[in-house]
Amino acid sequence: DAGVIQSPRHEVTEMGQEVTLRCKPISGHNSLFWYRQTMMRGLELLIYFNNNVPIDDSGMPEDRFSAKMPNASFSTLKIQPSEPRDSAVYFCASSPKAGEQFFGPGTRLTVL
Amino acid sequence: GESVGLHLPTLSVQEGDNSIINCAYSNSASDYFIWYKQESGKGPQFIIDIRSNMDKRQGQRVTVLLNKTVKHLSLQIAATQPGDSAVYFCAEKGGNNRLAFGKGNQVVVIP
Repeated sequence: DAGVIQSPRHEVTEMGQEVTLRCKPISGHNSLFWYRQTMMRGLELLIYFNNNVPIDDSGMPEDRFSAKMPNASFSTLKIQPSEPRDSAVYFCASSPKAGEQFFGPGTRLTVL
Repeated sequence: GESVGLHLPTLSVQEGDNSIINCAYSNSASDYFIWYKQESGKGPQFIIDIRSNMDKRQGQRVTVLLNKTVKHLSLQIAATQPGDSAVYFCAEKGGNNRLAFGKGNQVVVIP
């Protein structure tokens, strides 16, 4: 099992550009989570999906952020337009029903 | 990961000694708790979990204790090794599927 796969691992972009982060959850897991981690705020849940349906997006900071899960094996987190304060490590995690969450390696985003 | 470090409580422990990491949780309705370990540049990794109907659970070199009366969780690591150096997070889960993470504790193992 390859675990949760995220791409890219590192992204450097300029303010105003669109950023798309990708995640492939572990096969068979029915919940997927997007987190953001910064020194100041720690690990924050942005949104999570259950059976490809967004359940709770209350952690999404603002309308510039959007997430989709078109099928059980793929999800994207998009930031448009990006701002320097979006710089963080973004983690995707997946879990089986009512189980522990397995985290991906993260995407380190730097917005200049 | 980038996260943590400068503002985290830090536990320095001599290699071979036991470590105890503490966590206070907030929701008395939480029924599931997890400890995660995060090494630099990596995502959080599951260590051990415990349900609210238990007060102790043991794994390999790790023990989690749960005190629901005071909403306190602890992680004990026996015979700490250099590879145990990391940030440790506790997380609680309530009625929904969300995990609420603590701020984390940095453990530094001194060889």
